Amino acid sequence: GAVVSQHPSRVICKSGTSVKIECRSLDFQATTMFWYRQFPKQSLMLMATSNEGSKATYEQGVEKDKFLINHASLTLSTLTVTSAHPEDSSFYICSASGGGQAYSNQPQHFGDGTRLSIL
Amino acid sequence: KNQVEQSPQSLIILEGKNCTLQCNYTVSPFSNLRWYKQDTGRGPVSLTIMTFSENTKSNGRYTATLDADTKQSSLHITASQLSDSASYICVVTLNTGFQKLVFGTGTRLLVSP
Repeated sequence: GAVVSQHPSRVICKSGTSVKIECRSLDFQATTMFWYRQFPKQSLMLMATSNEGSKATYEQGVEKDKFLINHASLTLSTLTVTSAHPEDSSFYICSASGGGQAYSNQPQHFGDGTRLSIL
Repeated sequence: KNQVEQSPQSLIILEGKNCTLQCNYTVSPFSNLRWYKQDTGRGPVSLTIMTFSENTKSNGRYTATLDADTKQSSLHITASQLSDSASYICVVTLNTGFQKLVFGTGTRLLVSP
């Protein structure tokens, strides 16, 4: 089956540090990648959608200068949390879709998430 | 407002028993409804995807139903196992041409021995 690998799985760092999270589709070409954020006992909230080679589309209320997204290839997208602060601590999850016909019916394959803790 | 509501919030059942989780949605325009299983600290794993015209879909011991008229879905788990302990998330895709998903808050299932 389709596998999405997310790295690192856990990050603990000091306030003010920038953190980069990688999301890779291992056995399929991900036309579109999604970045989500999940707080404890809450549902996933979409942060941004990125198509390979294009600028990401950010959801309302998500600072694009704070959360930098790069989707330079069909198998890799990165999320960089710049100058992270304690309120950025959360569970970040990426997902990927292969696109194609009936795009909205395509499955989204999720990574295992990154637990980010800012001290 | 596009919303997906799930019930119950949490559920405890004995190993081997069956259970049914509920999902109601007010999402428009509707494209499809998905059920995901999310283990603690892991990403969601897809169980089923159903379009408007599908009433039921099975994946092993998991059977999902969809009533597009009443905007309700259910996930039935048969002969539960300890490994079924997880959060089950109902997700509706908006029919916008893009994969815009609306997530429910999930049902936390605990299967006890």
